[in-house]
Amino acid sequence: GAVVSQHPSRVICKSGTSVKIECRSLDFQATTMFWYRQFPKQSLMLMATSNEGSKATYEQGVEKDKFLINHASLTLSTLTVTSAHPEDSSFYICSARPTARGYNEQFFGPGTRLTVL
Amino acid sequence: DAKTTQPPSMDCAEGRAANLPCNHSTISGNEYVYWYRQIHSQGPQYIIHGLKNNETNEMASLIITEDRKSSTLILPHATLRDTAVYYCIVRVAFGNEKLTFGTGTRLTIIP
Repeated sequence: GAVVSQHPSRVICKSGTSVKIECRSLDFQATTMFWYRQFPKQSLMLMATSNEGSKATYEQGVEKDKFLINHASLTLSTLTVTSAHPEDSSFYICSARPTARGYNEQFFGPGTRLTVL
Repeated sequence: DAKTTQPPSMDCAEGRAANLPCNHSTISGNEYVYWYRQIHSQGPQYIIHGLKNNETNEMASLIITEDRKSSTLILPHATLRDTAVYYCIVRVAFGNEKLTFGTGTRLTIIP
């Protein structure tokens, strides 16, 4: 199956700093990628839809100035958590849908665990 | 997208078939049923999807009732590695690509 990677897998940072998370589709191109957040013992919540070459679409309640998304190529999307605070500590997961015809499922990355001290 | 209802948890003995039910009584004619699973601290993994016919792949089988208001995911010979949270999601195949995750079913395989 299609492989999606995330980097880093785990990050610990101080409150007030910014953290960048990368999501890469390794063996396919993805015009659209998605960013989710998952708090302990809860389900995944979609944060935003990332479209290559255009602005991301954010879900209601997600601050676009705090969670900056850049989708500069067909294989890479980045999520930057700006001025992170302890309440931003969570498991961040990206997914990608192959641009190629015939695919209508999304493939998920392994996730990035962010801990803000 | 239509809502889905799943039991919060289930147990299954190792080696037996695990049958996970999902209700989606408000499903529309152009909506597919997707199943994903999430093993602890990992990203979700795609399992299978279907529209109205039963589907089978190397991981599982998907049985959709004739009225499409419910479905069952079948893991034919469950192993300990199948312990995970299983999500049943209903959405159109193209256009609105969002996946809305519910609370899923926590499946525990018992040795």
